[in-house]
Amino acid sequence: AQSVTQLGSHVSVSEGALVLLRCNYSSSVPPYLFWYVQYPNQGLQLLLKYTTGATLVKGINGFEAEFKKSETSFHLTKPSAHMSDAAEYFCAVSRYSGGYQKVTFGTGTKLQVIP
Amino acid sequence: DAMVIQNPRYQVTQFGKPVTLSCSQTLNHNVMYWYQQKSSQAPKLLFHYYDKDFNNEADTPDNFQSRRPNTSFCFLDIRSPGLGDTAMYLCATIQGRGSSYNEQFFGPGTRLTVL
Repeated sequence: AQSVTQLGSHVSVSEGALVLLRCNYSSSVPPYLFWYVQYPNQGLQLLLKYTTGATLVKGINGFEAEFKKSETSFHLTKPSAHMSDAAEYFCAVSRYSGGYQKVTFGTGTKLQVIP
Repeated sequence: DAMVIQNPRYQVTQFGKPVTLSCSQTLNHNVMYWYQQKSSQAPKLLFHYYDKDFNNEADTPDNFQSRRPNTSFCFLDIRSPGLGDTAMYLCATIQGRGSSYNEQFFGPGTRLTVL
């Protein structure tokens, strides 16, 4: 079984401030981890993913995430928030099961950026 | 650009009136997924196709059906929509089935409202 917990359904930051969105996962096998972003009335867009190798993963729009196995975490960060970062962010864990890739999403974190 | 297209983007239907949502892709991916995403919730997998092989999630209501006439197209049929089916419906594709770490490509979604 696998699951994802995102702490904080809403996060507010000032423009230019650090963005930190938290994600903890549970997986019985080595996980493949993703962060997706969703703008209003749009589909999900991949920000970054961790498969194997380097634990610090860089993504689009200046975001990065660090896989910490000991903490079962995959938190998303960005040094300086921009107004255009306001969106909903989903952490997801994927595994190959029963012949197909099954992705489990967290409940999402809405990021508000205050001017 | 290769992409995943969903039509219509917005659909309003009456309680009990059948509705069909459409997804097409130019990525030539062999796996297509349908997700249901209710307001402020994570996407929930309804079913997926690997080529023409249909795979239903155990908790997907019988009211939901799907068709995939060819590689490019996949349809979601809701036979008798209830008020609780009001949601965003997301289509996603992925190439291959033997890997857990390929990203899913999402369409923009169809927002369905049942009155």
